[in-house]
Amino acid sequence: GNSVTQMEGPVTLSEEAFLTINCTYTATGYPSLFWYVQYPGEGLQLLLKATKADDKGSNKGFEATYRKETTSFHLEKGSVQVSDSAVYFCALTRNSGNTPLVFGKGTRLSVIA
Amino acid sequence: GAVVSQHPSWVICKSGTSVKIECRSLDFQATTMFWYRQFPKQSLMLMATSNEGSKATYEQGVEKDKFLINHASLTLSTLTVTSAHPEDSSFYICSAIELRELHEQYFGPGTRLTVT
Repeated sequence: GNSVTQMEGPVTLSEEAFLTINCTYTATGYPSLFWYVQYPGEGLQLLLKATKADDKGSNKGFEATYRKETTSFHLEKGSVQVSDSAVYFCALTRNSGNTPLVFGKGTRLSVIA
Repeated sequence: GAVVSQHPSWVICKSGTSVKIECRSLDFQATTMFWYRQFPKQSLMLMATSNEGSKATYEQGVEKDKFLINHASLTLSTLTVTSAHPEDSSFYICSAIELRELHEQYFGPGTRLTVT
């Protein structure tokens, strides 16, 4: 079946540090890949997505590239801010529409000033 | 962008009572909505898929008689937790797929249920 594995947290970084959160997936066919962010006390928000191999999703300084050869979708940001402190979820869904998301376990990021 | 609301945002109820949670797509039509459950510091687990005008499809291990789902219109799905117990305390989140964007789900803000 489909599954998502992402690095265990929590991750604690100083402001302006480089961030990488690893995410690998197992899926049949060609899934769409997503990163969602959940700020404290709030619901999930879509951060970025990629729907086919070699696509790069980007938003708010975050980037992730769909790597089919390594079945990965690692999240990166060059310089984190305190306001980036949140839980980040990697997820996938099949490209056949009307299918639910399969989530990774989430990685909690804390950025300290 | 598309907005999904949930009501209530939090609720406290006594054991044995039932609680209804509403999920609405505010500015789009959704033939499919999903209900997820999130335990503290854990990921979201799919509970069921709600399709407008038909019976919900439940994931393995989810009791359909306990978690009643109704999707009576293209903008509203409800989850009723019947005879709630403390172990049902959790964060319940719905999402909706817009008809024209089949690969993107919009999430509600979630409902925190506490059963005492």
